[in-house]
Amino acid sequence: ILNVEQSPQSLHVQEGDSTNFTCSFPSSNFYALHWYRWETAKSPEALFVMTLNGDEKKKGRISATLNTKEGYSYLYIKGSQPEDSATYLCASPRSGGGADGLTFGKGTHLIIQP
Amino acid sequence: DAGITQSPRHKVTETGTPVTLRCHQTENHRYMYWYRQDPGHGLRLIHYSYGVKDTDKGEVSDGYSVSRSKTEDFLLTLESATSSQTSVYFCAISEVASYEQYFGPGTRLTVT
Repeated sequence: ILNVEQSPQSLHVQEGDSTNFTCSFPSSNFYALHWYRWETAKSPEALFVMTLNGDEKKKGRISATLNTKEGYSYLYIKGSQPEDSATYLCASPRSGGGADGLTFGKGTHLIIQP
Repeated sequence: DAGITQSPRHKVTETGTPVTLRCHQTENHRYMYWYRQDPGHGLRLIHYSYGVKDTDKGEVSDGYSVSRSKTEDFLLTLESATSSQTSVYFCAISEVASYEQYFGPGTRLTVT
């Protein structure tokens, strides 16, 4: 079973501060790395799918970087707002292509304090 | 929002009874997935489908079966529910295997 690890498990951040957290994954046979945002009582929503080493993607105040050689990705949130409070999941395809589903990390639970 | 519905949204059942959860999509996506979400485990893949009548096992498939007779419907069956199958079940779809997955609203199942 693919091992996808996320840290920290939870994070409290003051409103307006920037923050980042980590996803690590096996660097061998890399195909893609997914990030999802999961708000309480809702379902996960896709943020990014990253495939290229050195790739950087951005959506508003949220961005992500990818290092496939060392097997990690960072998710950054700039100027945190209360609506950023959520669990952020990363996931990797179980095998090349992802047709057989994703292996998810356990998530980073982010709480933005006003 | 991707057109995915799950039914029922909540169910309480007794140990030993059969249960079927339904995932319905209106997006005509080829790939469909069933995950379960449990505290301390995150999302884990139960079964997946890569086309009509084409299904396979995921990480935690014991005690579950699936069927897909139409593109739009993916059914998850617990043949004889156990308390360890109390969980929140999410269906997901994907147009292309390598693309992002879209998740349904989830079904909360309690087995007493």
